[in-house]
Amino acid sequence: DAEITQSPRHKITETGRQVTLACHQTWNHNNMFWYRQDLGHGLRLIHYSYGVQDTNKGEVSDGYSVSRSNTEDLPLTLESAASSQTSVYFCASSDTGTGDTGELFFGEGSRLTVL
Amino acid sequence: QKEVEQNSGPLSVPEGAIASLNCTYSDRVSQSFFWYRQYSGKSPELIMSIYSNGDKEDGRFTAQLNKASQYVSLLIRDSQPSDSATYLCAVNRAGGFKTIFGAGTRLFVKA
Repeated sequence: DAEITQSPRHKITETGRQVTLACHQTWNHNNMFWYRQDLGHGLRLIHYSYGVQDTNKGEVSDGYSVSRSNTEDLPLTLESAASSQTSVYFCASSDTGTGDTGELFFGEGSRLTVL
Repeated sequence: QKEVEQNSGPLSVPEGAIASLNCTYSDRVSQSFFWYRQYSGKSPELIMSIYSNGDKEDGRFTAQLNKASQYVSLLIRDSQPSDSATYLCAVNRAGGFKTIFGAGTRLFVKA
């Protein structure tokens, strides 16, 4: 079955360290997204990609970067982790071809703690 | 003003009752509207999508859309304790694939 997987599921790191969260989907979807979820804020869009070599900033992109070298993967990098980036991170994908591009398939989430 | 607004709740209803969840959005050119359900500690899952004004029914769920009022709602009939979750309203802007979420409404269904 097609799926979307995230790793690591849990990570504790220190302020100032670089962290990369992996996202891999086997749906063959063009669109991939990274969201963070914090109490009281819901899901906020960090970065998104509409295809290989395409990346775009979302509403809370400062301190984060992504790259899209193939269809399956969209890793999220925190260049210098800050305590404000402690959160649960969700990767999601959607299919352009069906026209119902708002139907997102989510990974299981990655809980990041920055000490 | 947030792009998508929901009452955070919690909304508490007895088992068997109708739960009514509401959402407003600010961008008039929004075209697609979605409801996601998220159980505690889990990822969101899509339960309803709606694109045209009016009602759309799927089992015990009914989504209602009023574009003139920029209002979307979700009705859950015959609520069950297993419906206890956070419900996220989401909106897609016209011409794009970027989905914006509300903060979610927590629903508790009491047995």
